[in-house]
Amino acid sequence: DAKTTQPTSMDCAEGRAANLPCNHSTISGNEYVYWYRQIHSQGPQYIIHGLKNNETNEMASLIITEDRKSSTLILPHATLRDTAVYYCIVTSSGTASKLTFGTGTRLQVTL
Amino acid sequence: DTAVSQTPKYLVTQMGNDKSIKCEQNLGHDTMYWYKQDSKKFLKIMFSYNNKELIINETVPNRFSPKSPDKAHLNLHINSLELGDSAVYFCASLPNTGELFFGEGSRLTVL
Repeated sequence: DAKTTQPTSMDCAEGRAANLPCNHSTISGNEYVYWYRQIHSQGPQYIIHGLKNNETNEMASLIITEDRKSSTLILPHATLRDTAVYYCIVTSSGTASKLTFGTGTRLQVTL
Repeated sequence: DTAVSQTPKYLVTQMGNDKSIKCEQNLGHDTMYWYKQDSKKFLKIMFSYNNKELIINETVPNRFSPKSPDKAHLNLHINSLELGDSAVYFCASLPNTGELFFGEGSRLTVL
């Protein structure tokens, strides 16, 4: 699975958009970009994933560059409850996928 | 109903003891995982089972033995517990669509 690079931490004001970047320059053609978050010590929570196209769901938007070497997770209106560690993972689909978590980005949403 | 449930949530025990953590998922997924999150918050994959068959074993000591009696259950038995085994252990299940569903974790403390 391709390695990812994320900033260690970011701050965002409540109500503003949080844009979390992820670099995955060695991504392969069949690998997806997944985003998860972990709030405090809870179990990680799936947010969104994509292959080539930009994706949007009720939680967030995922923007993937045309060359697929980087992506950005967007939380359009961050709230205090979005304070968490956000993990970007690149993996092929299927039961053998290891879904290896890196160190993630600690997002702090402030008043 | 909780999709992925782990028991116990907290476990405190002495070095040298043997303990088990149980995991059950009611989502009908074929693939289940065990992850370990240590004090530095690194989330590392340990094992993966697909339909009761071991498919991933990430160089975990032999003291750790997963058991899957059926595809809805993946238990983790740990022999001769050591101080370094103290961590939060997360169970997860994986559908064909690729997003992991995590349990709430089992915090193991070895004294």
